[in-house]
Amino acid sequence: GQNIDQPTEMTATEGAIVQINCTYQTSGFNGLFWYQQHAGEAPTFLSYNVLDGLEEKGRFSSFLSRSKGYSYLLLKELQMKDSASYLCAVRDRAGGSYIPTFGRGTSLIVHP
Amino acid sequence: DTGVSQNPRHKITKRGQNVTFRCDPISEHNRLYWYRQTLGQGPEFLTYFQNEAQLEKSRLLSDRFSAERPKGSFSTLEIQRTEQGDSAMYLCASSFGTGGAGELFFGEGSRLTVL
Repeated sequence: GQNIDQPTEMTATEGAIVQINCTYQTSGFNGLFWYQQHAGEAPTFLSYNVLDGLEEKGRFSSFLSRSKGYSYLLLKELQMKDSASYLCAVRDRAGGSYIPTFGRGTSLIVHP
Repeated sequence: DTGVSQNPRHKITKRGQNVTFRCDPISEHNRLYWYRQTLGQGPEFLTYFQNEAQLEKSRLLSDRFSAERPKGSFSTLEIQRTEQGDSAMYLCASSFGTGGAGELFFGEGSRLTVL
C-alpha cells in the first residue's frame, strides 16, 4: 500500500504564494493527483503528474520527483476562496486496479 | 447536469438499521469507486467497480457493507446493522479508464449519521 504524508494545516496571506508538500511511498507508482475540497463539498480535480517535473495550470502548479517520492502544489496570488483542504492522492498499479489512495489533506487558511 | 449524482444527500438512522445509498456516475465512465470520509481525514477507499465487476474491496470493509453495480450503470452501497462508527460522508466517484490522467469525478456525497 501507500504511505502518504502532508501537513495538517497551513496559513497564508491573500496575494502570497504557498507550497503544500506531499511525500509518499509506493511500490507501483502510476500517477499523483491533487484535489481541492471546500468544507462540506466534494473534492474537485486540480492536477495530475506522472512524469518528473512541473505542471502549470493558471495560478496552480504541481511538481513531482518520483525518485524522491515527493510532490508539491504551488498556489500563487492567493485568494480568500482558496481556503480549502488540499488532498494529495497516489495511484498505484499494484493488483492491476489502479486505485488512488488519498492523504489526510492539508487545510489551507488564507487570511486578509 | 451530467456529473456524478448521489442520493440521499443526508441520512439519519438509528443504530441497527440498514441504509442504502445510490450513485449515478457520469454515463460514459466505466470505473466507479466508493470512498468514506470523516472530518479532518482524506477519503478512505471502500470498493471499486470496472463496469459491473467489483474488482477491489478494502480489507477494512466489514461484511456489513455490500455494494453492487448491476449492468455497469448506477451503483448501490448498503450498510446493514449500522453502528455509530459508520457515521461519515460516503463519496462516490467515477472515471474513464486510466489513459491520461483518468482523474476521479466525485459526487456531492451522502452524509450518514447513526444515532
